[in-house]
Amino acid sequence: NAGVTQTPKFQVLKTGQSMTLQCAQDMNHNSMYWYRQDPGMGLRLIYYSASEGTTDKGEVPNGYNVSRLNKREFSLRLESAAPSQTSVYFCASSARDLNTEAFFGQGTRLTVV
Amino acid sequence: RKEVEQDPGPFNVPEGATVAFNCTYSNSASQSFFWYRQDCRKEPKLLMSVYSSGNEDGRFTAQLNRASQYISLLIRDSKLSDSATYLCVVNIAGGSYIPTFGRGTSLIVHP
Repeated sequence: NAGVTQTPKFQVLKTGQSMTLQCAQDMNHNSMYWYRQDPGMGLRLIYYSASEGTTDKGEVPNGYNVSRLNKREFSLRLESAAPSQTSVYFCASSARDLNTEAFFGQGTRLTVV
Repeated sequence: RKEVEQDPGPFNVPEGATVAFNCTYSNSASQSFFWYRQDCRKEPKLLMSVYSSGNEDGRFTAQLNRASQYISLLIRDSKLSDSATYLCVVNIAGGSYIPTFGRGTSLIVHP
């Protein structure tokens, strides 16, 4: 019953440091997503992957890179963290069917100082 | 303009009240519609899908108006445990069906 698992849950970075957020799902979903959530802004799509081997930019991709390592795993990398990237990051996955819901990981609270 | 718009609230209501949220979407390629619930510092979770004919799940009723491009959620007999943020979500067709979120509407139910 794991669903979508994200690591780490919390992270503090210094400006300029790099890190990778990991995400894995065990529901055999084709599509995976990375969102960030900021106060008053809702969830904004950073990158998504419609299937293994493909990735596409979302609404706010600048400063991020992603890798769809295999069908289960979709990682998000910050190469040089900036204070503007302080946020809560959610990974999600869904089947590719039209009326399917998305399932979310528990989130990563990232602070860049 | 965001593709999915919601009144952020907060809606502050007493227990037992009926409360309604609306959500508008701008992309006519929108194909499917959902309401999610998000508790403080937690991940969003599906509350209910929204079907063209409208649908009900206990105290919750969702409706879709494609002509006017809006979705509504009605909560009857509000409980303290209904306090949360309610997110309107639209799957927009492209290469994939991408869940696009409104900013959320905050509901506070008080005794």
